[in-house]
Amino acid sequence: QSALTQPRSVSGSPGQSVTVSCTGSGSDVGGYNYVSWHQQHPGKAPKLIIYDVSKRPSGVPDRFSGSRSGNTASLTISGLQAEDEADYYCCSYAGSYTMVFGGGTKLTVL
Amino acid sequence: QLQLQESGPGLVKPSETLSLTCTVSGGSISSSSYYWGWIRQPPGKSLEWIGNIFYTGSTYYNPSLKSRVTIAVDTSRNQFSLRLSSVTAADTAVYYCASNRRDYIWGSYTPPRTFDYWGQGALVTVSS
Repeated sequence: QSALTQPRSVSGSPGQSVTVSCTGSGSDVGGYNYVSWHQQHPGKAPKLIIYDVSKRPSGVPDRFSGSRSGNTASLTISGLQAEDEADYYCCSYAGSYTMVFGGGTKLTVL
Repeated sequence: QLQLQESGPGLVKPSETLSLTCTVSGGSISSSSYYWGWIRQPPGKSLEWIGNIFYTGSTYYNPSLKSRVTIAVDTSRNQFSLRLSSVTAADTAVYYCASNRRDYIWGSYTPPRTFDYWGQGALVTVSS
């Protein structure tokens, strides 16, 4: 069970859109509709922002969206705001009731 | 809304057993709508899934930790727990407990697939 692959960092200016990728395999990301994304600010617990590839929990702004193509899932943040600066982690079901996280991506708002 | 809170020793000696408890409030741990899970994060590193449990006692572990991990549930106290044996410095991390939603979709229950409510985390340091 290998960690999902995410870019170490991405950046964007306020108002722009950024996309964070999460690459796995057919045994996890590509095999199930169970990819989630979590936002983590420094010193804080992670917060769920996307689940089941593209669903948003109540209270999460629609600036956050998720998608998947093959074995790669993506998180897109549009209308970037300063408060979006955080670490982002993808997570996928990996079969046999196991789960796997990505390595995390640091988003910098320029 | 569910609230989860980790508790336990913040310092554990090498080769000993790390023990943490997660207390759930705002809902019943015996609910069929949730699995309950543990995740850890070494300082400056990524999240790592440790395992999940259902209120019936069914457990699901990360294969890389399975030989050292035990997760148990205490429905009378609305708590679940984590034990990690034979710890080393590599087990130093913030340990989070979280709920993992379970839905009935297309005629079957979903497996544990997303952590929706998290505890604040508990730093456990392994050192002599």
